[in-house]
Order: sequence, then structure tokens, then C-alpha cells
Amino acid sequence: DVKVTQSSRYLVKRTGEKVFLECVQDMDHENMFWYRQDPGLGLRLIYFSYDVKMKEKGDIPEGYSVSREKKERFSLILESASTNQTSMYLCASRYRDYEQYFGPGTRLTVT
Amino acid sequence: AQSVTQPDIHITVSEGASLELRCNYSYGATPYLFWYVQSPGQGLQLLLKYFSGDTLVQGIKGFEAEFKRSQSSFNLRKPSVHWSDAAEYFCAVDGGSQGNLIFGKGTKLSVKP
Repeated sequence: DVKVTQSSRYLVKRTGEKVFLECVQDMDHENMFWYRQDPGLGLRLIYFSYDVKMKEKGDIPEGYSVSREKKERFSLILESASTNQTSMYLCASRYRDYEQYFGPGTRLTVT
Repeated sequence: AQSVTQPDIHITVSEGASLELRCNYSYGATPYLFWYVQSPGQGLQLLLKYFSGDTLVQGIKGFEAEFKRSQSSFNLRKPSVHWSDAAEYFCAVDGGSQGNLIFGKGTKLSVKP
């Protein structure tokens, strides 16, 4: 069965902290994605990766970076967390042109 | 640029009633289209997808959707809604070569007993 896991369901961090969100997929998918979800705005793409060490900016990359050292793992990094980064973060993976599989999400609160 | 519009932010239906959630897309070529459902506090689960072929596609949980190229629509339907269908529903279109999906803003479904 397809599985995408995220390291934390809930996370509370302070302003200025460096935050790591981890995502792991067990399906050998090439493509992985990070979205943020906010009420009324839907899902917005932050970054995606189509191979190890490859990354592309999405629609809202500012304030974020990513790392993909292994095919199964895609990390989202908030270099210096700010309150406007309080959100739900969703990771997804995809094999070629097929559907995306989503993790359960990480609800991040920055105080 | 590709885009997806879900005109209804919130819909309330009675249990047992039929349901139709609207989705319109903007895309230059034949689109890959998806419907996802999200229960509160959860990730997104794929309900159904359209890639090509039969324009009426069946999904999980008794849902179906019909692709209408002339109307640029991909509406989701269910003949009889159950209380457990209360959730938020997202329509999405394949963004193209980059592999990302373009999502609508979602429709929240409430079910009255």
C-alpha cells in the first residue's frame, strides 16, 4: 500500500527558529512536492523535486528551502520561522504522470 | 496558465440527498483531472481521476465525475450522501511538465441529519 509519512503532525516553534519538516515516501517515486494549505487559499506549491538533489521553486518559495539527498526523503526548511508561516504543510509524491499521494500533513504554529 | 475554479465555498445537503460539486478548469490541452477529499486534520485522499477515454469516471466511496470538454468542467456527484461524506473536496488539474497539480480552493461539504 502506498505510504507518505511526515515527521510530525503538530509542531510549535518560536519566531526566528530554524524548522525542519521531513517527508518520506516508500513508493520509489521520482517526484515529490511541498504545499502549504491555508483557509480560503487552497493548496499552494512551495517547492518540488523531480530527482535526488534536484529542486524547483513553486509558487511561494520565499522563506523556504528544501533538501533531497535520498530519493525517498524530501525536507522542507524554514530558515527563520515567522508567524506568517503558521499553516498546514502537506507533502506529496508522484510517479511520472499519475496521481499524487499525500501525507497526513504537519500543522505548524509559529509564536 | 492553468487554473481551477470551484464556485461553491460551502454546501450543505441532507443525508440521503444527491450531491454535485462543481469544478471548472482552464487548460490548453487535454487535461488530467482529479478529485481529492480531505477530512478534518487529515491529508488529501484521491477520490477519482480522469486521464482519457470514458468521460464518466467512477471513484471510491460511491463518487463519480463527468468530464465535459465543451464546458471545461469536471463535476463530482454522488447519488446519496452519507454523514461520513462531510469533508472538504478539492478539484485539481495536472500542471504540466513539472508534475505538480493546480488545485481549486476547495468546497466544504456539510451533511444535515
